[in-house]
Amino acid sequence: GAVVSQHPSWVICKSGTSVKIECRSLDFQATTMFWYRQFPKQSLMLMATSNEGSKATYEQGVEKDKFLINHASLTLSTLTVTSAHPEDSSFYICSARDAGRTRTEAFFGQGTRLTVV
Amino acid sequence: ELKVEQNPLFLSMQEGKNYTIYCNYSTTSDRLYWYRQDPGKSLESLFVLLSNGAVKQEGRLMASLDTKARLSTLHITAAVHDLSATYFCAVDEYGNKLVFGAGTILRVKS
Repeated sequence: GAVVSQHPSWVICKSGTSVKIECRSLDFQATTMFWYRQFPKQSLMLMATSNEGSKATYEQGVEKDKFLINHASLTLSTLTVTSAHPEDSSFYICSARDAGRTRTEAFFGQGTRLTVV
Repeated sequence: ELKVEQNPLFLSMQEGKNYTIYCNYSTTSDRLYWYRQDPGKSLESLFVLLSNGAVKQEGRLMASLDTKARLSTLHITAAVHDLSATYFCAVDEYGNKLVFGAGTILRVKS
């Protein structure tokens, strides 16, 4: 299957600082990438849909000014958690679909464990 | 709005036993996925079910899809300890986004 690389795999930051997480599709182009957040023992919750060259679409209740998403190319989307607080500590996972093939399955990155201290 | 219900949420099984995890969804879709997640890890794709009546098997796991009943099942045959993980179903909202079930935590006891 296609490969989605997410970096970093874990990060610890201080309250009030910002953290950037990268999601790259390595062997395909992704018009659309998705960002999920997962709290312990819970399911994945979609935060936003990232579209190449346009603004991201955020799910209800997700603060767009806090979770900045940039999808500057067909292989890279970034999620920046701004002014992070301990309650932002979570597991963040990205996924991407192959732009060249309609309705293909989504491929998932390895996830990023964010801990805000 | 598409909703996905998965049950049971927790399943404790004896090795060698069989069991089924159920995934119901609320609106029409013809594409359903099953994933496995180990602690601290991301999702591993198990099955992609693309049409009504689809059945796929891999080792001790078999998944099926009934689009008319809006139901998918993940059947575990003769469970072994290595199958302990969290299993998620996810339904494709017509190529837009995936909606996940709550997940089933599976523990296989020796």
